[in-house]
Amino acid sequence: GDSVTQMEGPVTLSEEAFLTINCTYTATGYPSLFWYVQYPGEGLQLLLKATKADDKGSNKGFEATYRKETTSFHLEKGSVQVSDSAVYFCALSDRNTGGFKTIFGAGTRLFVKA
Amino acid sequence: DAMVIQNPRYQVTQFGKPVTLSCSQTLNHNVMYWYQQKSSQAPKLLFHYYDKDFNNEADTPDNFQSRRPNTSFCFLDIRSPGLGDAAMYLCATSRSGQDNNQPQHFGDGTRLSIL
Repeated sequence: GDSVTQMEGPVTLSEEAFLTINCTYTATGYPSLFWYVQYPGEGLQLLLKATKADDKGSNKGFEATYRKETTSFHLEKGSVQVSDSAVYFCALSDRNTGGFKTIFGAGTRLFVKA
Repeated sequence: DAMVIQNPRYQVTQFGKPVTLSCSQTLNHNVMYWYQQKSSQAPKLLFHYYDKDFNNEADTPDNFQSRRPNTSFCFLDIRSPGLGDAAMYLCATSRSGQDNNQPQHFGDGTRLSIL
């Protein structure tokens, strides 16, 4: 079945460091890919998405490119801030997962130190 | 602002005492979901409604039930909560469509504690 694998955390960075969180997927169909962020005590929020190969999603300085050849959707940010400390979830949605369901990765916790 | 609202934010109940969590939305989305999340793990889908059609996940315990009286509201009922049911419960909505690129919109969750 479909699945999402993302790098284990926690990831600890200093402010203004470069961030990469790796995400790879397996899917029988042609999925849409998402990154969600969860701040402490809150629900998940959509950070960015990409719906076809070579699409780049971007928001709030974060970027991720849909790479079909490597089945990857790595999250990057050039300069992290303390306020970026959160848990990041990679996810996919595929017609083959049963219509409207989303498959989530296990999440990667990011700590950013001042 | 259009949003997904969960009440209450924190709920404490006793072992075995039924509890109901509520979710409302102003997005007019026709799909609503309930997830269980423990310790910032990935959310675990319990069930979802597509309009009035109820879809239960195969591994969702019978102890968990849901009601959706109208488009805007959805309830999660836990008939006899056990200690293992202590978790964050997340409600989410999405639009349906022919494609699969609709994101989900989450509420802030209800944190359930069992005494």
